Amino acid sequence: QQKVQQSPESLSVPEGGMASLNCTSSDRNFQYFWWYRQHSGEGPKALMSIFSDGDKKEGRFTAHLNKASLHVSLHIRDSQPSDSALYFCAARKATNSAGNKLTFGIGTRVLVRP
Amino acid sequence: GGIITQTPKFLIGQEGQKLTLKCQQNFNHDTMYWYRQDSGKGLRLIYYSITENDLQKGDLSEGYDASREKKSSFSLTVTSAQKNEMAVFLCASSRAGQDTQYFGPGTRLLVL
Repeated sequence: QQKVQQSPESLSVPEGGMASLNCTSSDRNFQYFWWYRQHSGEGPKALMSIFSDGDKKEGRFTAHLNKASLHVSLHIRDSQPSDSALYFCAARKATNSAGNKLTFGIGTRVLVRP
Repeated sequence: GGIITQTPKFLIGQEGQKLTLKCQQNFNHDTMYWYRQDSGKGLRLIYYSITENDLQKGDLSEGYDASREKKSSFSLTVTSAQKNEMAVFLCASSRAGQDTQYFGPGTRLLVL
């Protein structure tokens, strides 16, 4: 079973619209979460991290974390064609004695329609 | 700022062949990683290295070897390429104790 599950698999939004992505962990040891974005032909790039309950806003992007339900979401306001990409949720355990091992979901593909 | 360079960009191999992928970073990061990306399966960790000469197995290490020759470079070897295998191999790095990982552009592997 995938320890970090993302939904939906794909999402199409009109330019200027709101895109909402979801991520749920099945392992209660995962306490720290990231959102990464990958454009076609490139490596993933970190968008934002969230470690505390509640909302975190960075520009047009807002992440929300609920640690009790192990659910994290990403909302993209005023979506632009350049936001069309594959979005990954990644999680790390609270105690990580060696390295910074992240577990990734399978991704949500976002398409912003002009 | 810094950059991660992966070579080659594309790699075409034959079944059973031993193939080596290389990664260089100039962030001066301590920790480096190798991931495999398959369509519909996300990113899976193959090997990581906390410091020079250190190696730690990830979830997908079988069929691979790795080598951390120096702080700035991390190599991955596919010990015996599987026929019809197609995947993207991503190298990443991060500071010790710092969680954000920075990725290279990837090496695209095709085995005929």
